[in-house]
Amino acid sequence: AQSVAQPEDQVNVAEGNPLTVKCTYSVSGNPYLFWYVQYPNRGLQFLLKYITGDNLVKGSYGFEAEFNKSQTSFHLKKPSALVSDSALYFCAVRDMNRDDKIIFGKGTRLHILP
Amino acid sequence: DGGITQSPKYLFRKEGQNVTLSCEQNLNHDAMYWYRQDPGQGLRLIYYSQIVNDFQKGDIAEGYSVSREKKESFPLTVTSAQKNPTAFYLCASSSTAYNEQFFGPGTRLTVL
Repeated sequence: AQSVAQPEDQVNVAEGNPLTVKCTYSVSGNPYLFWYVQYPNRGLQFLLKYITGDNLVKGSYGFEAEFNKSQTSFHLKKPSALVSDSALYFCAVRDMNRDDKIIFGKGTRLHILP
Repeated sequence: DGGITQSPKYLFRKEGQNVTLSCEQNLNHDAMYWYRQDPGQGLRLIYYSQIVNDFQKGDIAEGYSVSREKKESFPLTVTSAQKNPTAFYLCASSSTAYNEQFFGPGTRLTVL
């Protein structure tokens, strides 16, 4: 079965430090992978996606993600965290066995400490 | 939140009532989705529609109903059969099932 896992419920990072939010996936075939961000009481906003090509994908707000096929991971990264990056982050994968619906991870809450 | 609107932002329901949540998009997207979000559980798919006049059940469709009479609109009805409807409901759309989804701002439903 297709699945996506976010092993950390919460990540704390000091402002200005690099941040990483982890995501691993399990799919048959080539994965379509996504990252979204959610601010309190708001809908999700698309950050970036990997379909094919370069393993390092650049997205919105200075975020990037590294696709690693051998480790089946798609970690979200940013070189220097801002307090405004504090939010809930979701990793997602396309489920090719179920009408291409998107499967979302449970989310990781990112706290950037001033 | 792109070109997707949801209304109302907050909704209160009494026991035994049906309520309808509105979702409208002006992105000309074919596919539309309804999700339910509960704390610590991520997003769970209720219903989805890939084309007008067609929709499919998601993972937690019991107690919900939808219609897709127009491309722009995908309303969700929470029926009295849904025993625990208090949650944050999110509508989304995408140009195709392969592409990223765009989300509305959400409706928070509370049962009194």
